[in-house]
Amino acid sequence: GAVVSQHPSRVICKSGTSVKIECRSLDFQATTMFWYRQFPKKSLMLMATSNEGSKATYEQGVEKDKFLINHASLTLSTLTVTSAHPEDSSFYICSAITHWTGREGSNQPQHFGDGTRLSIL
Amino acid sequence: AQSVAQPEDQVNVAEGNPLTVKCTYSVSGNPYLFWYVQYPNRGLQFLLKYITGDNLVKGSYGFEAEFNKSQTSFHLKKPSALVSDSALYFCAVRVSGYSTLTFGKGTMLLVSP
Repeated sequence: GAVVSQHPSRVICKSGTSVKIECRSLDFQATTMFWYRQFPKKSLMLMATSNEGSKATYEQGVEKDKFLINHASLTLSTLTVTSAHPEDSSFYICSAITHWTGREGSNQPQHFGDGTRLSIL
Repeated sequence: AQSVAQPEDQVNVAEGNPLTVKCTYSVSGNPYLFWYVQYPNRGLQFLLKYITGDNLVKGSYGFEAEFNKSQTSFHLKKPSALVSDSALYFCAVRVSGYSTLTFGKGTMLLVSP
């Protein structure tokens, strides 16, 4: 159980293109989803937290107009990298959790997708 | 603020030997601690967690971790390493209630045949 599907797994595109990455929780309802960025041999950097039906909360330094996040349903969140440039090339990983608020939420592990390797030429 | 330290960038161990991957944390309040493993070009897989109760937590693939409150540590251990255990390991922490999961920088585990 607790499977998170992320698609696509790899994207190669030209500079200026907008790229959409999907994150789906397959067998549970994800009240909260997280988007991370990972640089080579580095830890995960939290970009934003999204709750179903509301606006995402972005971490300091992350451009919300550059990285558009939509969490329209309890099983789907999308990250759109708008007008991507080579410096946006990275490994993007989503994760999902249910029952985020309160003690029960803190007990639950986050479940991660397999990531998306984005390469901007 | 909460933080996690993984002091070793890399741990090398021979197959069959015990392994330890170190993690220390700093939080205000009671910590909820997690270990994740990441294989190349993959997302993170949950290994185990400590919420409350026994200090020794058993998880997936024969891994276990010991919570030590006085030393604020949560080291990952396995009695006998396998070559297939070679991967990047992340320790993470959050506190009860509303807070973000904070990850350590990761430790690369290399198990040689």
